[in-house]
Amino acid sequence: QQQVKQSPQSLIVQKGGIPIINCAYENTAFDYFPWYQQFPGKGPALLIAIRPDVSEKKEGRFTISFNKSAKQFSLHIMDSQPGDSATYFCAASKGSGAGSYQLTFGKGTKLSVIP
Amino acid sequence: DTGVSQNPRHKITKRGQNVTFRCDPISEHNRLYWYRQTLGQGPEFLTYFQNEAQLEKSRLLSDRFSAERPKGSFSTLEIQRTEQGDSAMYLCASSFVVAGGEQYFGPGTRLTVT
Repeated sequence: QQQVKQSPQSLIVQKGGIPIINCAYENTAFDYFPWYQQFPGKGPALLIAIRPDVSEKKEGRFTISFNKSAKQFSLHIMDSQPGDSATYFCAASKGSGAGSYQLTFGKGTKLSVIP
Repeated sequence: DTGVSQNPRHKITKRGQNVTFRCDPISEHNRLYWYRQTLGQGPEFLTYFQNEAQLEKSRLLSDRFSAERPKGSFSTLEIQRTEQGDSAMYLCASSFVVAGGEQYFGPGTRLTVT
C-alpha cells in the first residue's frame, strides 16, 4: 500500500516556467510534509517543509501548498532554472508525539528545465 | 564539514560476502535513521536510533541486516551473506528530536552485489 502518491513521474518545462508537483497521502496521522531535491549520485537535500496548521509556505522560489481536507500538497518552483533539474521527492511523517518520525516518500518526479 | 557523512561511498561485493557501512551524523543530532533507495524509487525506512537505542525496525530489515550505534555517535549497518537484491543506495539521515525534527541525509553508500 503506497501511502504517499506523487505525480507526475517526469516533467519538462522551459526556463522561467513554474513546474508543479503534486502529492496525496492516506494516513491522517501524518502531520509533517517535507520536500527533498536529489541530484544523481547524491543524497536527498531538504528543500522546504510544511505542517498542517498552514495552507501555504514560501521559501525563496519554492512554495508548498497544502490542502488538509483533500489530503494533498504540492510544490511550485517559481522562475525555474536549468540548475533546478533534479528529482524531487515529497514525503510525510508523523511529526509530533511518540514515534519514530520515519519519512514515507513518494516515488519521485524527475524535473528537466530546458534553457 | 558539519553535514552527515557516509563511508564508503561505493561498495562492490560478491554475493554471499558481508559488508559494513558507516554513518557519522551531524554532531548534536540524537536521532539517526537508515533508509534504502533503489533505482527510480524514493527512500524506504529501515531503522532508527535515538542516542544508542535502536527503537524501530522495518519489515524490510531482514535477519541478515544489523545496525548499531555505540555510544550514540556514529552508526554502522552490516549486511551478512549479501544477495543481488541488496543492491541499492543506503542512506543515513540524522535529526535533533523535537516535534518533527528535520532529517538531513548523507550522500549515501551505493552497494552493488555481483
